[in-house]
Amino acid sequence: DGGITQSPKYLFRKEGQNVTLSCEQNLNHDAMYWYRQDPGQGLRLIYYSQIVNDFQKGDIAEGYSVSREKKESFPLTVTSAQKNPTAFYLCASSRPGGYGYTFGSGTRLTVV
Amino acid sequence: AQTVTQSQPEMSVQEAETVTLSCTYDTSESDYYLFWYKQPPSRQMILVIRQEAYKQQNATENRFSVNFQKAAKSFSLKISDSQLGDAAMYFCAYRSALRTSYDKVIFGPGTSLSVIP
Repeated sequence: DGGITQSPKYLFRKEGQNVTLSCEQNLNHDAMYWYRQDPGQGLRLIYYSQIVNDFQKGDIAEGYSVSREKKESFPLTVTSAQKNPTAFYLCASSRPGGYGYTFGSGTRLTVV
Repeated sequence: AQTVTQSQPEMSVQEAETVTLSCTYDTSESDYYLFWYKQPPSRQMILVIRQEAYKQQNATENRFSVNFQKAAKSFSLKISDSQLGDAAMYFCAYRSALRTSYDKVIFGPGTSLSVIP
């Protein structure tokens, strides 16, 4: 079945470490997105990519980096420059037109 | 820039009753899409219903229906015969239909719905 796979489900990071969250889709969608969700809050856009080898900053890109070397994959790296990385991270993909996003199941990142 | 507002941070409904969640949005565009997403405790985001702005007919999906008022820029979600499984955070969302848009979906802040047995 087609879908989006995010891994790991839970991730713990020590202060000063970089960590990478994985997002893979087999929906053949061109566009992919990373959102951050804090407790009781809405979704804030971190980065998005419309095509391979191209990506754009969202509203809260500072302290994060991404790559898009393959259509299926859009990993997110949370760098040590991100001062408050503890949050729930959602990856999504979409196809052109009036369709909504398909979301992954999310990664819960905790700084220890 | 487009914005989406949900004025009810929390709502509750008795099981089997009907509840309406409110959403308003601001845009200067005439063609766009509107969505309601559900996020249960599992935190998996699920698309509940979708509305195309150029269609006057309100979308329905089983127990879920919308009241789309384009002139008022209002897009409310009605849940009929509420079930315990409807308890979740509900997000209203907007997507431009412009070809120049990068298809970003703009989300409202969410409404937390509790269902009382």
